[in-house]
Amino acid sequence: QSALTQPPSVSGSPGQSVTISCTGTSSDVGGYNYVSWYQQHPGKAPKFMIYEVSKRPSGVPDRFSGSKSGNTASLTVSGLRAEDEADYYCSSYAGSTYVVFGGGTKLTVL
Amino acid sequence: QVQLQESGPGLVKPSETLSLTCTVSGGSISTYYWNWIRQPPGKGLEWIGYVYYSGGTNYNPSLKSRVTISIDTSKNQFSLNLSSVTAADTAVYYCARDRGDAYIFDQWGQGTLVTVSS
Repeated sequence: QSALTQPPSVSGSPGQSVTISCTGTSSDVGGYNYVSWYQQHPGKAPKFMIYEVSKRPSGVPDRFSGSKSGNTASLTVSGLRAEDEADYYCSSYAGSTYVVFGGGTKLTVL
Repeated sequence: QVQLQESGPGLVKPSETLSLTCTVSGGSISTYYWNWIRQPPGKGLEWIGYVYYSGGTNYNPSLKSRVTISIDTSKNQFSLNLSSVTAADTAVYYCARDRGDAYIFDQWGQGTLVTVSS
């Protein structure tokens, strides 16, 4: 069982927006502003998309945005495109445990 | 652009030690934190631990008793040893770089599947 809880799957049509939640505790998500999100296509290594809750590294489209409220972080993908179909993982700094991950969410573009 | 590449046996027998090496190219290993992360087939990611370029380490408490991560700066490599493996250790093992400023893994190897089976 993963430390952070994500929905197993979400879906949306091209052009729509979807939001993926990531729920932890006050010892990880709620306690630090070090939530990150990773995108993983089948057979590929994860790619980091969001860091420090809402910051985007260079090269990541602004269609990807992150936020946090209490112990729950969220990733929103706007203007869905076919290439956004992938698994998404959240992670959080967790103090002495260092980093914990969510169980992953499969995003399907209908 | 730094690149990471995992290498090591793809099959390990139960109770033996899993050993993998990550070779870093296109940049120096003498900075940052160098991590191992694994992903069982069809499941999520699990952080295993890191080694700092100076040799300091930090391990996932759930694996700490079985894990050793070391670094060889002269070869630009770092390594993972996981002892007393069972079928539950079957996974794709990734090496990854952590810049150390925001607890993110910004560069990853392609991953290598290690199967534990007799």
